[in-house]
This record gives sequence, structure tokens and C-alpha cells, in this order.
Amino acid sequence: GQQLNQSPQSMFIQEGEDVSMNCTSSSIFNTWLWYKQDPGEGPVLLIALYKAGELTSNGRLTAQFGITRKDSFLNISASIPSDVGIYFCAGAGNQFYFGTGTSLTVIP
Amino acid sequence: ETGVTQTPRHLVMGMTNKKSLKCEQHLGHNAMYWYKQSAKKPLELMFVYNFKEQTENNSVPSRFSPECPNSSHLFLHLHTLQPEDSALYLCASSQEVRDHGYTFGSGTRLTVV
Repeated sequence: GQQLNQSPQSMFIQEGEDVSMNCTSSSIFNTWLWYKQDPGEGPVLLIALYKAGELTSNGRLTAQFGITRKDSFLNISASIPSDVGIYFCAGAGNQFYFGTGTSLTVIP
Repeated sequence: ETGVTQTPRHLVMGMTNKKSLKCEQHLGHNAMYWYKQSAKKPLELMFVYNFKEQTENNSVPSRFSPECPNSSHLFLHLHTLQPEDSALYLCASSQEVRDHGYTFGSGTRLTVV
């Protein structure tokens, strides 16, 4: 079946650093979404993107819908300890798929 | 309460037991979902309900039996599970089935022994 490949699988960064992660697919999607899952909790929607090329921000988070419609990117600026968690991309076309996640650890 | 509430948070059951997971949403959403989350794997969609009618069963084994008595409540009945069914079971809701901005519950961590 369809796979969304997230990269990197895990990241260990110093507090204050910027973070970049991406998600790629072999299929075209109409919607890209980014979720964050804190330990012991369910995923929470961060940003939704509906148009190729769209760039959307939510505080220190910025996400982009790739021009090819086969990828999306998430950037976090000036990371803080509470950014720790697993970040999932999700793509919606004919069906809806989640990526495997990027685990982020922020070292104070 | 607001959001999506799942109970219990943790459940340990034997392979011969019967148990049920409960999900409740107070968001006025019309669509509800069950997902399975296993380590190192993407979230796996199990069931979709729209206006309390099941619209999707993603080839889930019959030992998992969903029930949706109304648009606010969703159950997952479990019986004769296998150890490989151990996972985090997440409930989610959205305004409509085509709206992918899901609100997830905190999940039930299930361990089958």
C-alpha cells in the first residue's frame, strides 16, 4: 500500500536550534497535514495545507505543501524542551495515510 | 468535558477475556474513527463511522467488533485477542468524513498476555 516516508526518523538537537523534517510520497495528495504526539497522548493537529506551494505558520512552526504535491516540509524555529515528541505527516488524496513519524528530542 | 475522551487509559487482558474500549466526543462531530498504533509503524485505520453508520472496515479481524450507538459514542469490543494485538488504540473524530483535521483521544494502551 501507500507509504509516506518521513525523514529523519529521529533527531537529537540542542535547545534553541532550528529543526527541519520532511515527508515524501510516490502519489499526489490534495491535502497535507502535520500532527504532533506527546508521550502518552494522542496526536494533535498542528498545521493543515490545502494547496500546492502553500506555506503556513503556526507560531514557531512553518509547514509547506510541496509544488509537486508529493512532499511536505515542517520547520520548527528556536526549539524548546516542550517541542519533544513524535511528529507525523499525513496526506489525503483518494485515501488518507499517516507517515511513520519523526521523533524529536530537545536537549536543554 | 470537551474533546475526545477514551477509557480505560490502560488495559491488560488475557487471550480468552472479553473487554471493551470506550470513546466519547463532545465536539458535535459526525465522523468517528478507530486507529491502531504499533511501534515503528504508521497509524493503521481500523474503522470509520459516519453519522453512526459504519462506512469503512479496513480488513480488521472479527475479534475486533466496533459499535456506534450514536454520533458521540464509539466502542471497540475485544474478544480472544492475540499478543500481537497489543498496541495503542486511538479514537478520533472529525466534523465530516472528508475532513482530515482529526481530534484524537489519548488512546488506550492495550496489552494482551
